Amino acid sequence: QKEVEQNSGPLSVPEGAIASLNCTYSDRGSQSFFWYRQYSGKSPELIMSIYSNGDKEDGRFTAQLNKASQYVSLLIRDSQPSDSATYLCAVNTGNQFYFGTGTSLTVIP
Amino acid sequence: GAVVSQHPSRVICKSGTSVKIECRSLDFQATTMFWYRQFPKQSLMLMATSNEGSKATYEQGVEKDKFLINHASLTLSTLTVTSAHPEDSSFYICSAQRTSGYNEQFFGPGTRLTVL
Repeated sequence: QKEVEQNSGPLSVPEGAIASLNCTYSDRGSQSFFWYRQYSGKSPELIMSIYSNGDKEDGRFTAQLNKASQYVSLLIRDSQPSDSATYLCAVNTGNQFYFGTGTSLTVIP
Repeated sequence: GAVVSQHPSRVICKSGTSVKIECRSLDFQATTMFWYRQFPKQSLMLMATSNEGSKATYEQGVEKDKFLINHASLTLSTLTVTSAHPEDSSFYICSAQRTSGYNEQFFGPGTRLTVL
């Protein structure tokens, strides 16, 4: 079992819709959770961090964490074509940092 | 804040030469830095974890004598690809872990290496 699992997609949503990206992790002791955005040919960029159960909102982005279900998600409201990218889920467990393989999102104008 | 620079951004070299890539955390100290490699349309692949003042920890299958890592200070780590060959051509990305926060990793912009 992989430490962090994501649906690879591709996920396509129309412009203006809500994009929902999901991630599960295997270690219940994981403490910190992150979402990165990676445009094609570029390096990953940290867009959200979440550490406590519940929701965290930042602009059009909302991260949701459910430690009991070992589940973290990212919602993108009012999706824009510029949101088209690969989104990487990452989990910090003790001294280890694990990345998912990423979900490719395409926002269709 | 939390800016990581990487130099050079692009390098083209002849087979057999060595290439050195620098990774710097500009506005925070990073006890731990990471080196990744990414081939087109593939996932990030962790190559090694670099700890300041100690030897790097390499992932399985990564040759430590070929990919030399030095983490000389809390803001600088270097990766040297020795005797580069065309199969080493890839996108190399470093990241620095900020220990003052929640251990977030911040990535450099990457170095695209092409070995002829």
